[in-house]
Amino acid sequence: ELKVEQNPLFLSMQEGKNYTIYCNYSTTSDRLYWYRQDPGKSLESLFVLLSNGAVKQEGRLMASLDTKARLSTLHITAAVHDLSATYFCAVAGAQKLVFGQGTRLTINP
Amino acid sequence: SAVISQKPSRDICQRGTSLTIQCQVDSQVTMMFWYRQQPGQSLTLIATANQGSEATYESGFVIDKFPISRPNLTFSTLTVSNMSPEDSSIYLCSVHDRDSHLANYGYTFGSGTRLTVV
Repeated sequence: ELKVEQNPLFLSMQEGKNYTIYCNYSTTSDRLYWYRQDPGKSLESLFVLLSNGAVKQEGRLMASLDTKARLSTLHITAAVHDLSATYFCAVAGAQKLVFGQGTRLTINP
Repeated sequence: SAVISQKPSRDICQRGTSLTIQCQVDSQVTMMFWYRQQPGQSLTLIATANQGSEATYESGFVIDKFPISRPNLTFSTLTVSNMSPEDSSIYLCSVHDRDSHLANYGYTFGSGTRLTVV
């Protein structure tokens, strides 16, 4: 059974700092997704990672995938308040997504 | 990518009643998914809805409680039956579609239905 674990689950950081969210998964998969969710809202797609070594960047967010280690990272550079949200990774297995627990990110001025 | 219209966006329901949630997609998609997100929690897959066949339910979810219809390739409904306060959650539909511009297979989500059972 595919399991996806994120850490940390809660992250409070100062503006301007860098940090990384980790996503580990238990079985082989070649597709990993990162989503953002604002309070009371649906999920917004951030990145789709399709192969080992894939790296994608959008603004202050960069995601990478290591399929051998079954690990993805979401790196935040020089955080700003607007990035406060809950971030989910999700792994595709048997044509369905399994989600991590989510990381609630709070960025303080 | 596909655009999903989900309704209602929120509802407050009495225990023992049922609520039907609708999702309309602007393109034909093979697979539609229904998720539940309990307060402060992650998303849990309820079932996969395929056109022309019965939905496939995940462990812990049963058809009598969450009947699903999928009459065509652009529409699906999820009913939450005989509701109790424990059913208070956000329910989201999702489709697996291809973003032809980026050549990525992605999953797009509806806006969600926030259900409160009193």
